[in-house]
Amino acid sequence: AQSVTQPDIHITVSEGASLELRCNYSYGATPYLFWYVQSPGQGLQLLLKYFSGDTLVQGIKGFEAEFKRSQSSFNLRKPSVHWSDAAEYFCAVGARGKLIFGQGTELSVKP
Amino acid sequence: NAGVMQNPRHLVRRRGQEARLRCSPMKGHSHVYWYRQLPEEGLKFMVYLQKENIIDESGMPKERFSAEFPKEGPSILRIQQVVRGDSAAYFCASSQETGLNYEQYFGPGTRLTVT
Repeated sequence: AQSVTQPDIHITVSEGASLELRCNYSYGATPYLFWYVQSPGQGLQLLLKYFSGDTLVQGIKGFEAEFKRSQSSFNLRKPSVHWSDAAEYFCAVGARGKLIFGQGTELSVKP
Repeated sequence: NAGVMQNPRHLVRRRGQEARLRCSPMKGHSHVYWYRQLPEEGLKFMVYLQKENIIDESGMPKERFSAEFPKEGPSILRIQQVVRGDSAAYFCASSQETGLNYEQYFGPGTRLTVT
């Protein structure tokens, strides 16, 4: 069965530090992978997506993610975090028209 | 171009009442999806609809929940005889009519509170 695991429930980083949020997926075929961000009380905004091709994908707000088939991972990275990046981040895999989400990682940013 | 619109943004119902949540997809989008986010959890798929058709309702509870997307007007998620456990944020998403394009755009959600 398809599934997505985000091992880290909560991460705190200092402003200006680098960030990596982990995501592992389970899917039989070539996956369609997504990262979304959710600010408190808001809907979800798409950060980036992977369908095929280059395994390093660039997204909005300076985020990038790398697809590693051998590790079944799609980790999200940002070289320098800003205070406005504090939010909850969801990794998802597309499966027959629906999205299967991980549990989310809440990011806190220290000044 | 307006995004996905949901109303109401907040809804309070007493146990046993009915809740109706509305979703207007982005212009040009004919696929609608409903997801539920329980407190401290990720989003769970509920139902996938096209105009006048339910494509996948594998995530819908068997009782009290129904969804429709009529030819004209918004998609409606209906919850009859609400219980406290229905309290959650309900998100609608829409996508274009391309089968392999899973890029879904989300609305701001409806936060349902059952008292």
